[in-house]
Amino acid sequence: EAQVTQNPRYLITVTGKKLTVTCSQNMNHEYMSWYRQDPGLGLRQIYYSMNVEVTDKGDVPEGYKVSRKEKRNFPLILESPSPNQTSLYFCASSRGGEQYFGPGTRLTVT
Amino acid sequence: SQQGEEDPQALSIQEGENATMNCSYKTSINNLQWYRQNSGRGLVHLILIRSNEREKHSGRLRVTLDTSKKSSSLLITASRAADTASYFCATDGLRWGSNYQLIWGAGTKLIIKP
Repeated sequence: EAQVTQNPRYLITVTGKKLTVTCSQNMNHEYMSWYRQDPGLGLRQIYYSMNVEVTDKGDVPEGYKVSRKEKRNFPLILESPSPNQTSLYFCASSRGGEQYFGPGTRLTVT
Repeated sequence: SQQGEEDPQALSIQEGENATMNCSYKTSINNLQWYRQNSGRGLVHLILIRSNEREKHSGRLRVTLDTSKKSSSLLITASRAADTASYFCATDGLRWGSNYQLIWGAGTKLIIKP
């Protein structure tokens, strides 16, 4: 089944404790992206990747890092999470046009 | 940055009625897409309409695009309780030279009352 998976689905952590949210797709898509979704603000892009080892900043990259060492994986790293990074995070992949979304990761930083 | 703006922000109708949502955008586009999101879950692609198309259908969905007005509408006919969700439009921009980068609106929350 074609899908995008994210882990964990829910995470509660404390300020400053490094965390990684994994994202994996099995559709051989070159393009992958991370979004955050906050009430009233819609989806905002954090980082995206056009291919292996090619990443670029989206609209709200501060406080986040990404890597793309393999085509299927695109982890999101929060080196020192802060409460303003409490949000719902989505990973997506695409070959152009339609984007396929993961189920989301709800992150709470206290 | 947000390019698309959906209107209305929220819509509540009776089951069986038609629901219309609108999206306006600011710059020229290659295509416009509509997605559905059930509460707190991942977005699901509904339909893509290209800039040279004016109307597209998919089941109970009808999408129109007016590039002169930079607007699109999504019509859901004969609504069902399962259509309760948020609906987002997303556009790409010609300046990016591809249709990978999408700019998203804030969404319309649709509630179908039984």
